[in-house]
Amino acid sequence: EPEVTQTPSHQVTQMGQEVILRCVPISNHLYFYWYRQILGQKVEFLVSFYNNEISEKSEIFDDQFSVERPDGSNFTLKIRSTKLEDSAMYFCASSKGGVRTDTQYFGPGTRLTVL
Amino acid sequence: GDSVTQMEGPVTLSEEAFLTINCTYTATGYPSLFWYVQYPGEGLQLLLKATKADDKGSNKGFEATYRKETTSFHLEKGSVQVSDSAVYFCALGDYGGATNKLIFGTGTLLAVQP
Repeated sequence: EPEVTQTPSHQVTQMGQEVILRCVPISNHLYFYWYRQILGQKVEFLVSFYNNEISEKSEIFDDQFSVERPDGSNFTLKIRSTKLEDSAMYFCASSKGGVRTDTQYFGPGTRLTVL
Repeated sequence: GDSVTQMEGPVTLSEEAFLTINCTYTATGYPSLFWYVQYPGEGLQLLLKATKADDKGSNKGFEATYRKETTSFHLEKGSVQVSDSAVYFCALGDYGGATNKLIFGTGTLLAVQP
């Protein structure tokens, strides 16, 4: 069964450093998403991406964040200058369509620790 | 804005007990409703979904019915197993702009003891 994959599973970085989290969505999916979960808190929407553009972003997704689909398979989240409060589990998801009835399939997550 | 409220955990049950995890929602539109499960060390997996009022989603013995009148989507299972131990997330699909973001509840940890 096709699945979303994410690398690395755990990333440790120093405050102020740039990090890139990588995702490979399911191959015939067209919509891509990033969510995050700070320890003990809710899973929060960050951004959605379709047709090589950001479709929607939350207030969390400020100028320090960016997303890219550099080739036909990868989908990346970049944090330019990490802060302590960026420490969280980051989930990538993809869906075939973009309407409310479509199912989003999630990857296993990348745990980001900012020291 | 739209939101999801789940019952606090952890929920601790003995094997073969009946499970209910409550979920209520607030939405301005007409959302789809989902239950996702996260097993230890793994990502979020879709457990079941319902896209319109009175729909019942079911999978692996779990069920949830979309109740528009009570804005609820409670998860139930008649007889839990140790292997059901996981965190369960209720979510709604909010149609915003051109895409469908998910809004999650806080998650409920279920621990099933033999």
